[in-house]
Amino acid sequence: DSGVTQTPKHLITATGQRVTLRCSPRSGDLSVYWYQQSLDQGLQFLIQYYNGEERAKGNILERFSAQQFPDLHSELNLSSLELGDSALYFCASSADSSNTGELFFGEGSRLTVL
Amino acid sequence: SQQGEEDPQALSIQEGENATMNCSYKTSINNLQWYRQNSGRGLVHLILIRSNEREKHSGRLRVTLDTSKKSSSLLITASRAADTASYFCATDGNTGKLIFGQGTTLQVKP
Repeated sequence: DSGVTQTPKHLITATGQRVTLRCSPRSGDLSVYWYQQSLDQGLQFLIQYYNGEERAKGNILERFSAQQFPDLHSELNLSSLELGDSALYFCASSADSSNTGELFFGEGSRLTVL
Repeated sequence: SQQGEEDPQALSIQEGENATMNCSYKTSINNLQWYRQNSGRGLVHLILIRSNEREKHSGRLRVTLDTSKKSSSLLITASRAADTASYFCATDGNTGKLIFGQGTTLQVKP
């Protein structure tokens, strides 16, 4: 158990809809990262937050947004969903902001867009 | 494109054999990490090797790093069926972001 909690584990929705994925980092970790894993694109870095502030941005679509709340949990919002957004979405956390140390991953949220 | 690329994409061996996976990357790095992912599960950190280190061991794992060739290898000795998983290298490159390769899928047959 990594200590990182993601909900929901599975989500099935329709094109055009909006979903919110939730992540609680390990106790004491200030950084939260979001990754998307799909068969054709592999594991893609989306965005990092550190102590409530956006720290680094990757291949995150404009239809996607994220935030980190004062209690350090994070949410990833996906809107105007397309079939291609079907993927595993992982949240990871770490103690520091460097983005180069060990990451602790949650079990992921599997999103299926029909 | 991905910073790290693993080779081979897939590897199938018998229990007890050694498994070697390679990772090549494109830019200078501060460190390189290896992760394991069991099917459909979250990634688990295995080992981190810094750019000034050449070799690191952890149990049955041995990682080497050659910064002149921009490559790393992960050796799993005396493999077990439980080692069946996908293995990813991850590098920080010069982007400040941890970027993962496409992974090597290892199957260890009992």
